[in-house]
Amino acid sequence: DIQMTQSPSSLSASVGDRVTITCQASQDISNYLNWYQQKPGKAPKLLIYDASNLETGVPSRFSGSGSGTDFTFTISSLQPEDIATYYCQQYDNLPRVTFGPGTKVDIK
Amino acid sequence: QVQLQESGPGLVKPSQTLSLTCTVSGGSISSGDYYWSWIRQPPGKGLEWIGYIYYSGSTYYNPSLKSRVTISVDTSKNQFSLKLSSVTAADTAVYYCARNTAMVFFDYWGQGTLVTVSS
Repeated sequence: DIQMTQSPSSLSASVGDRVTITCQASQDISNYLNWYQQKPGKAPKLLIYDASNLETGVPSRFSGSGSGTDFTFTISSLQPEDIATYYCQQYDNLPRVTFGPGTKVDIK
Repeated sequence: QVQLQESGPGLVKPSQTLSLTCTVSGGSISSGDYYWSWIRQPPGKGLEWIGYIYYSGSTYYNPSLKSRVTISVDTSKNQFSLKLSSVTAADTAVYYCARNTAMVFFDYWGQGTLVTVSS
């Protein structure tokens, strides 16, 4: 099975800061990597699909990059409404779908 | 705008079968462009994919749950359903239904429903 790790597990940053979260797969997953934002009590929301494609309607301060086993999610300028837990998610052609453990983002 | 809504009992006894239905509005399950998934999240924990179904009835399950899971579709009602047998307290979670593409990203989600397994 493909294992996903995320780091850090949590972070605190100031409004306006650049925030970076990494996601690593235990084997090559090409660009089959998506990112979600989940606010407390709400369903996850798709932000980035296929590693670097911004979902329609998502602010451009969110971005993603990477391929193979190493991926990065960035918030270019953290806003108060970005307080949430962020999950990466991979899929393969078996199919198997796995989510990362999540990164909780707070305002400092 | 596609909307998904989960429904079903919020409390299930241990060893029994959990049954949930997802009703889709604003789009047809039979369109053929999408798959329809169940995902769960234990309280305070991360997300776990359970499985998904195509309108034709083809199913794909998480290997760790495959022996206990059945997902079915009713295109006449624009609904799909989840059955999880032999439940234990470890199956207590918020259960989400979602829409995904063949490339498996989940672009529309239901609001989620909490199912508690307890006697």
